[in-house]
Amino acid sequence: AQRVTQPEKLLSVFKGAPVELKCNYSYSGSPELFWYVQYSRQRLQLLLRHISRESIKGFTADLNKGETSFHLKKPFAQEEDSAMYYCALSGNSGNTPLVFGKGTRLSVIA
Amino acid sequence: DAGVTQSPTHLIKTRGQHVTLRCSPISGHKSVSWYQQVLGQGPQFIFQYYEKEERGRGNFPDRFSARQFPNYSSELNVNALLLGDSALYLCASSRRQITGELFFGEGSRLTVL
Repeated sequence: AQRVTQPEKLLSVFKGAPVELKCNYSYSGSPELFWYVQYSRQRLQLLLRHISRESIKGFTADLNKGETSFHLKKPFAQEEDSAMYYCALSGNSGNTPLVFGKGTRLSVIA
Repeated sequence: DAGVTQSPTHLIKTRGQHVTLRCSPISGHKSVSWYQQVLGQGPQFIFQYYEKEERGRGNFPDRFSARQFPNYSSELNVNALLLGDSALYLCASSRRQITGELFFGEGSRLTVL
C-alpha cells in the first residue's frame, strides 16, 4: 500500500533561513513524487514533481530511493513561502491514485 | 481560463440526509477525482472517473457514490450522512487517467449537524 509521511505538522523559520520540509514514502513499485502547496485562501496547487527536476519559486526536491524520501528544500525562506505543503505519491499503474501526506504548515517569520 | 469549479461552496445538512456535490473540470480534462479533507489532515482519495467510467475507489463506505457525465462534469453523492462526513470535499481534474498532476477546485465545505 502507498503511504506518505510528513513528520512535522508545523515548521517555523526566520526569513532568509534555509527550509527543509520532510517527506518519507512507502511504495512497493516505482513511485512518482510531488509537492503540492496551498497558500492562504487559495486552492491546492502543484508546486513541483520529481520527474521534472526543476526549481520552482526557489524550491527543489530530490527523490532518494534508498532512504525513500523526497524532502523539499529552499536555501533562503521568504515570507510569501508561508503556506501548507503536502507531499504526494502516485504509482505508475491505473489503480494507484495520488496519495497525500497530512501536510506541514510552513510559517516564515519576518 | 476557468479552472475547476465546484458547487455548492458551503452547505449544512443534518444526520441521515443526502447530499450531492458537483464539479466541472477544466476544458479538455477527461479525468475527475474526488477527495475528502478533514480538518488537520491531507486530502484522502474517494473516487476517480475517467471517460465516464469509475477507475478507482478509495476506502469509503457504499454511502458514497459518484458519476461522470458525457461533458466530463461529475457528481459526488453521499447518503445517510453522519457527523464524521463533515469535511471539505475537493474535486480535481486532469488530462490523463494516470497522472499525479491534478488541478483542484476550491472545494465544497460540508457540515453535518
